[in-house]
Amino acid sequence: GAVVSQHPSRVICKSGTSVKIECRSLDFQATTMFWYRQFPKQSLMLMATSNEGSKATYEQGVEKDKFLINHASLTLSTLTVTSAHPEDSSFYICSARLAGRTGELFFGEGSRLTVL
Amino acid sequence: EDQVTQSPEALRLQEGESSSLNCSYTVSGLRGLFWYRQDPGKGPEFLFTLYSAGEEKEKERLKATLTKKESFLHITAPKPEDSATYLCAVQPTGGATNKLIFGTGTLLAVQP
Repeated sequence: GAVVSQHPSRVICKSGTSVKIECRSLDFQATTMFWYRQFPKQSLMLMATSNEGSKATYEQGVEKDKFLINHASLTLSTLTVTSAHPEDSSFYICSARLAGRTGELFFGEGSRLTVL
Repeated sequence: EDQVTQSPEALRLQEGESSSLNCSYTVSGLRGLFWYRQDPGKGPEFLFTLYSAGEEKEKERLKATLTKKESFLHITAPKPEDSATYLCAVQPTGGATNKLIFGTGTLLAVQP
């Protein structure tokens, strides 16, 4: 149980275009999902908390107009990187938590974004 | 400031050579400490949760322990398939309950 699926696993785009990444909880409902970003040899950094049916909560320093998050259902959250630039190239990982659990997160496979 | 430091940064072991990975943390209060395994190009895979000093958890060749300032991940007689990056994360009691603070991980390579 507690499987989180992420798509696409790899995406290459041109500078200035927008890219959407999907995160699905396959065998459980997730009222809250989390989006992380990971640079090589660095720790996972929480970007935002995605709440089903309401606006996402962004961490300090994360541009909400650049990283659009939508959590339209209990099993799907999307992250759209708008007007992507090379510095947005990174590994984006979503995660979700089982209802009633306070800490244990289950992660998706991650999405490698390369902006040319 | 809440902080997590993992050491060593990288560790190379021979198959069967037991060792330990360290996770030192500084938080005002600890809600929980988590260990994850991450394979290259993949998302982290949950291993253990520890909540209080003195607690221990085991899974196959892995054993996690917790004190008030650090956690150890002991690997007994490792195999090549244990090669991965091991991440430690803490959840502080203060602030948002959602937030996990991750260390930079220990890259473990087990050679046959």
